[in-house]
Amino acid sequence: DTGVSQDPRHKITKRGQNVTFRCDPISEHNRLYWYRQTLGQGPEFLTYFQNEAQLEKSRLLSDRFSAERPKGSFSTLEIQRTEQGDSAMYLCASSFRDIATGELFFGEGSRLTVL
Amino acid sequence: TQLLEQSPQFLSIQEGENLTVYCNSSSVFSSLQWYRQEPGEGPVLLVTVVTGGEVKKLKRLTFQFGDARKDSSLHITAAQPGDTGLYLCAAVSSGSARQLTFGSGTQLTVLP
Repeated sequence: DTGVSQDPRHKITKRGQNVTFRCDPISEHNRLYWYRQTLGQGPEFLTYFQNEAQLEKSRLLSDRFSAERPKGSFSTLEIQRTEQGDSAMYLCASSFRDIATGELFFGEGSRLTVL
Repeated sequence: TQLLEQSPQFLSIQEGENLTVYCNSSSVFSSLQWYRQEPGEGPVLLVTVVTGGEVKKLKRLTFQFGDARKDSSLHITAAQPGDTGLYLCAAVSSGSARQLTFGSGTQLTVLP
């Protein structure tokens, strides 16, 4: 399977704990995106990487959120001191071409539940 | 911040019926995409429209981009239960080529 892979698929944690999600994009894709989706809503943009450089961050990405893509391949999204409002599906996507003409390939997402 | 409004939010129809969902904004877009998302999955691209007034067909699905590139519609002919899912429009604004903004989606249920 050469699609976008996310791990874990599901995470249940207690408020205040830290969580980390991993995304492995399609191998030849140099662009990687993180989105957050809550029930009944469309995905909301969080951050964007081109290779290892984080080029854009949403104001939704508070100081508790940090994303990395150290070698320009896989990426991690860490949430520190989780809050109940962080409960959502965290989606990773990758693309080869610029999004204006290209396509985002999404993973199946990591569902976070904060108790 | 550009806002994409989709309507209706929910739609439940019988197999064989036709339907149209809409995606509207006050912003002009360089391109607009439609995705479909099934439960527990990520969105999957259906089509990209680039030119104002453009019409694209994908089997029973017809996509139209407004002349002013501010709105789009998706028409499904003779809907089938397999069409059930969350339909999302997404757009890149004329000023940014690095992020895709999604609408809130139309949840379609086609009953057999």
